[in-house]
Amino acid sequence: GAVVSQHPSRVICKSGTSVKIECRSLDFQATTMFWYRQFPKQSLMLMATSNEGSKATYEQGVEKDKFLINHASLTLSTLTVTSAHPEDSSFYICSAQARTGGTEAFFGQGTRLTVV
Amino acid sequence: DAKTTQPTSMDCAEGRAANLPCNHSTISGNEYVYWYRQIHSQGPQYIIHGLKNNETNEMASLIITEDRKSSTLILPHATLRDTAVYYCIVRVNSGGSNYKLTFGKGTLLTVNP
Repeated sequence: GAVVSQHPSRVICKSGTSVKIECRSLDFQATTMFWYRQFPKQSLMLMATSNEGSKATYEQGVEKDKFLINHASLTLSTLTVTSAHPEDSSFYICSAQARTGGTEAFFGQGTRLTVV
Repeated sequence: DAKTTQPTSMDCAEGRAANLPCNHSTISGNEYVYWYRQIHSQGPQYIIHGLKNNETNEMASLIITEDRKSSTLILPHATLRDTAVYYCIVRVNSGGSNYKLTFGKGTLLTVNP
């Protein structure tokens, strides 16, 4: 299957700082990328959907000013957690839908964020 | 909200077939059924998807009932590495060519030696 790479895989940051997570589609162009958050022993919760060159669509209850999403190219989307707090500690996962043909979404390996 | 219901957990003996059921009684005519699995602390892995017909690939088979209200994922010869949480998802169109994958709680499949 297609490869989606996330970076970093783990990050620890201090409260009040911002953290950027990158999501890249390595061997295909992604029209749409999705960002999820997963707390321990829970399922994935969709945070936002981003289309290349346009503003992201956020799910209800997700603060767009806190979770900044940029999808500047067909192979890269970034999620920036601004002014992070310990309650933002979670597993963040991106997925990407291919531009042509494919109907399945491929997921990155996830980023474990710990805010101390 | 997820449009699917799955058993919380299942066990399977190594080498045997694992049959994972999923109910999606409110599925619409143009909505696909997708299956993903997640091994601990990793991103979900795509397994298979289907609309009406049964599907098979190198990983699994997907059996969809004629009324499309339920489906079964079959791993023909389960191995210890197949231990994971399996998610059955109805892909919902969210406008234009966009869609959403809404994850439910999934089924924890444990393959025992």
